[in-house]
Amino acid sequence: NAGVTQTPKFQVLKTGQSMTLQCAQDMNHNSMYWYRQDPGMGLRLIYYSASEGTTDKGEVPNGYNVSRLNKREFSLRLESAAPSQTSVYFCASNLEMRDTEAFFGQGTRLTVV
Amino acid sequence: GENVEQHPSTLSVQEGDSAVIKCTYSDSASNYFPWYKQELGKRPQLIIDIRSNVGEKKDQRIAVTLNKTAKHFSLHITETQPEDSAVYFCAASNDYKLSFGAGTTVTVRA
Repeated sequence: NAGVTQTPKFQVLKTGQSMTLQCAQDMNHNSMYWYRQDPGMGLRLIYYSASEGTTDKGEVPNGYNVSRLNKREFSLRLESAAPSQTSVYFCASNLEMRDTEAFFGQGTRLTVV
Repeated sequence: GENVEQHPSTLSVQEGDSAVIKCTYSDSASNYFPWYKQELGKRPQLIIDIRSNVGEKKDQRIAVTLNKTAKHFSLHITETQPEDSAVYFCAASNDYKLSFGAGTTVTVRA
């Protein structure tokens, strides 16, 4: 039981390049999330998926797109990376959106130069 | 949307002393309040949570209190130990969105 697995763990991109962050969970959770973590700003929600087949914007969705590929997988895409997207990205999942523990992946440290 | 404020941003305590972190939230519809601990370079992990129908919850050395009228909740760590050094995040949830505070860096001095 691996929990929530993210790939890659580290990535350096040049401005304008694109990439996809992958996330998979093996806990049969319905809801999945993408957060970014920046110093002094906590964890900010980028996008979430309440259940398979649905996605919605969070607090800071600009510059990102997501795909809920199936119940297990939720990917985050940067179409044209910008230095402001340098951050640590965390994927998370929980059984239901309301009041249940969220489990986090190990994070992806992304640097855009 | 929900706005969660967390104080202090840094906290240094002597080993064995208590640590208290306070959070306020803005959305009266929020009904779930978890606390996460994040060690350096690691993922956030849940340490305790409380729901809106409960005023206080305790788990060994950690406790959380909730005042729904004032819209604030607090984390209390007693008898702090070096392994309590980490960043702690409070959060509030209203149906779909888990909103986090900015975090408190706790350092336990030996």
